[in-house]
Amino acid sequence: DAKTTQPTSMDCAEGRAANLPCNHSTISGNEYVYWYRQIHSQGPQYIIHGLKNNETNEMASLIITEDRKSSTLILPHATLRDTAVYYCIVRVTNTGNQFYFGTGTSLTVIP
Amino acid sequence: GAVVSQHPSRVICKSGTSVKIECRSLDFQATTMFWYRQFPKQSLMLMATSNEGSKATYEQGVEKDKFLINHASLTLSTLTVTSAHPEDSSFYICSARVLDRGPGELFFGEGSRLTVL
Repeated sequence: DAKTTQPTSMDCAEGRAANLPCNHSTISGNEYVYWYRQIHSQGPQYIIHGLKNNETNEMASLIITEDRKSSTLILPHATLRDTAVYYCIVRVTNTGNQFYFGTGTSLTVIP
Repeated sequence: GAVVSQHPSRVICKSGTSVKIECRSLDFQATTMFWYRQFPKQSLMLMATSNEGSKATYEQGVEKDKFLINHASLTLSTLTVTSAHPEDSSFYICSARVLDRGPGELFFGEGSRLTVL
């Protein structure tokens, strides 16, 4: 699976949009981009995933560049409960394929 | 989303004893489950892939005789840390693939914190 690069940490003001970037320049055509987050001492929580097109759900939006070498997770109105470590993962979705986690971005939402 | 439950959430044991952690998929069947370990302030490290009815596949560097994995049913996988030592103290997290929900989303349990004295 392709390697991802994320900033180590970011801050965001409460109520503002949080934009979390991820570089995956070696992504293959059949690899999806997944985003998970982990609040302290809990298991990771699924946020969103996509292949080529931008995606939106009740939690966030995922913007994937046309060349698919990078993506951005957008939390439209960050709250204090969004403070967590956010992981960007790229993987092929065949049966049994594992998820390997990188170092992630520690997002702190500031009141 | 799908629910994956782990038990116990916290366990403290003496050095040299064995500890079993259970991972259950509550509302779906999981032919494949994954076990991760996470040390403080570090990312999740994949330990092994647990396949129902067959032997687990371990990542490089993970001792299969120390971390015994059993996936006897479609809803239950267990991780047994044998002869635990203080360096095995960690946060252990299981996950399961949900095959009937899009391209294989992965859902995680709440984690089990092991402290070996």
